[in-house]
Amino acid sequence: LAKTTQPISMDSYEGQEVNITCSHNNIATNDYITWYQQFPSQGPRFIIQGYKTKVTNEVASLFIPADRKSSTLSLPRVSLSDTAVYYCLVGEGGGTYKYIFGTGTRLKVLA
Amino acid sequence: GAGVSQSPRYKVTKRGQDVALRCDPISGHVSLYWYRQALGQGPEFLTYFNYEAQQDKSGLPNDRFSAERPEGSISTLTIQRTEQRDSAMYRCASSLGPGQGALGYGYTFGSGTRLTVV
Repeated sequence: LAKTTQPISMDSYEGQEVNITCSHNNIATNDYITWYQQFPSQGPRFIIQGYKTKVTNEVASLFIPADRKSSTLSLPRVSLSDTAVYYCLVGEGGGTYKYIFGTGTRLKVLA
Repeated sequence: GAGVSQSPRYKVTKRGQDVALRCDPISGHVSLYWYRQALGQGPEFLTYFNYEAQQDKSGLPNDRFSAERPEGSISTLTIQRTEQRDSAMYRCASSLGPGQGALGYGYTFGSGTRLTVV
């Protein structure tokens, strides 16, 4: 079964770039990697999704190496409002679209 | 609708009562997921549907939990004979394609239903 592993927590200062790495050694061949952001008392919010190499949108970049066993979410120039929990998500494979959230990474941005 | 709508927002029920939680997904979204989230934890998968078909219910904790989506739109998660350990935030999410197959969109989550069993 696919399983994701992320650091439990990270601290950063405003204006810095933050990189959060997720390992997913058993990712299915046809599955995407998706990252979500969750603020307290809110549901997870989609940030970015990719299959391989690099994806960039207005919020973040996602780097995926050729073996796809890990991925790195990059948040440029974080602000206090980026303090949240970040989850990476991959499918369980085996023909099901069951998605399991891990424990996530609690990012705290300091002034 | 414009977003995923869940009702009620809050539900307090006595132990042993049945509850029904409703999810109205974004119009046209094929897949609908139910998750449960305890405070400080990540969302826990319960079950999901593609259209009206329940594809995977392996995350339902026991046979007191059931879900349906009879017309491929609105879904109801029912918990029978509630217990205090059922207290949690129940979240519904929908996506345009099966699973997260709609590239670049992922899930859209609703605001959740906070269930408290007393």
